[in-house]
Amino acid sequence: DSGVTQTPKHLITATGQRVTLRCSPRSGDLSVYWYQQSLDQGLQFLIQYYNGEERAKGNILERFSAQQFPDLHSELNLSSLELGDSALYFCASSTMGGTNEKLFFGSGTQLSVL
Amino acid sequence: SQQGEEDPQALSIQEGENATMNCSYKTSINNLQWYRQNSGRGLVHLILIRSNEREKHSGRLRVTLDTSKKSSSLLITASRAADTASYFCATVTTGNTPLVFGKGTRLSVIA
Repeated sequence: DSGVTQTPKHLITATGQRVTLRCSPRSGDLSVYWYQQSLDQGLQFLIQYYNGEERAKGNILERFSAQQFPDLHSELNLSSLELGDSALYFCASSTMGGTNEKLFFGSGTQLSVL
Repeated sequence: SQQGEEDPQALSIQEGENATMNCSYKTSINNLQWYRQNSGRGLVHLILIRSNEREKHSGRLRVTLDTSKKSSSLLITASRAADTASYFCATVTTGNTPLVFGKGTRLSVIA
């Protein structure tokens, strides 16, 4: 168990809908990362937060947004969903968000857009 | 965009054999990390090697790094059926961007 909690584990929704994925980092970790994993694109970095502030942005679509709350949990909001958004979404955390830190991954949210 | 690229894409070996996976990357790195993913589960960190290191060991794992060739290898010795998983290399570039992952090597260890 990595100590990173993601909910829900599975999500099935329709095109055009909006969903929210939730992540609680390991106790004491200040930085949260979101990754998207699909068969064709592999594991893509979306966004990183550190202590409530956005630190780095990757290939995150404008339809997607995220935030990290004062209690350090994070939410990833996906709107106007398309079939191609179906993927496994991972949250990871690290202590300080430093470049020589390892990441601890949650077990992911499997999103299916029908 | 992918920074690291693992080779081979898939590898099947017998229990007890050694497994070697390679990773090539494009730009200068700060460090390179290897992760393991069991089917449909979260990734688990295996080992981190910094750009000024050439080799690291952790149990049955041995990682090498050749920055002149922009490549790394992961060796798993005396493999077990429980080593069956996908293995990813991930790099932190000198621009200090967060980890960028390759597409992974699927390892199957047959008992």
